[in-house]
Amino acid sequence: SQQGEEDPQALSIQEGENATMNCSYKTSINNLQWYRQNSGRGLVHLILIRSNEREKHSGRLRVTLDTSKKSSSLLITASRAADTASYFCATKTRYSSASKIIFGSGTRLSIRP
Amino acid sequence: NAGVTQTPKFQVLKTGQSMTLQCAQDMNHEYMSWYRQDPGMGLRLIHYSVGAGITDQGEVPNGYNVSRSTTEDFPLRLLSAAPSQTSVYFCASSYGYDRGQGYTEAFFGQGTRLTVV
Repeated sequence: SQQGEEDPQALSIQEGENATMNCSYKTSINNLQWYRQNSGRGLVHLILIRSNEREKHSGRLRVTLDTSKKSSSLLITASRAADTASYFCATKTRYSSASKIIFGSGTRLSIRP
Repeated sequence: NAGVTQTPKFQVLKTGQSMTLQCAQDMNHEYMSWYRQDPGMGLRLIHYSVGAGITDQGEVPNGYNVSRSTTEDFPLRLLSAAPSQTSVYFCASSYGYDRGQGYTEAFFGQGTRLTVV
């Protein structure tokens, strides 16, 4: 079973609007990472938030982490057509090998012009 | 730097054939992993390695073998291809564990699209 699960599975918004996607996970984590995947391409790392952090910003990205609820959210502000992609959260459980990173099933984001 | 390089980009196999998917990284990363991605789904971990000579199983290891004789290379072998192994395969590498932030970011190759007929 997957450690991380994104919600919603698909999201379509108008260009300029904000996009929010969520990730829930099951066990204690060291950190949580968000990745973007453009169609037919490999994944690209967006942002990492440590388990002792509650919020982190990077450009138009804002990530929050609530370890009590085992959930994280990714907010993309002022969306652009180029943001159209799939977004995945990835976690490593605290007591497993460092490279055993488990990905969720992703949120497909479509930005309408 | 080339980053993570996967070859081939596309491959068609007949059921029962074997082949090796190549993965090489030039970032001196200790950690390397193989994932498969099926349509509309996330990535599932096949095998991973924490350094040369050390490998371990992920979520879906059956039908695949790996070895890590050097830091740079982490090939994935399909022993006897089956239609269920039709998928896109991604190799990833990372520095590994950082005391300040835990597991560090992974760098991905562009993928190998495998079709088994």
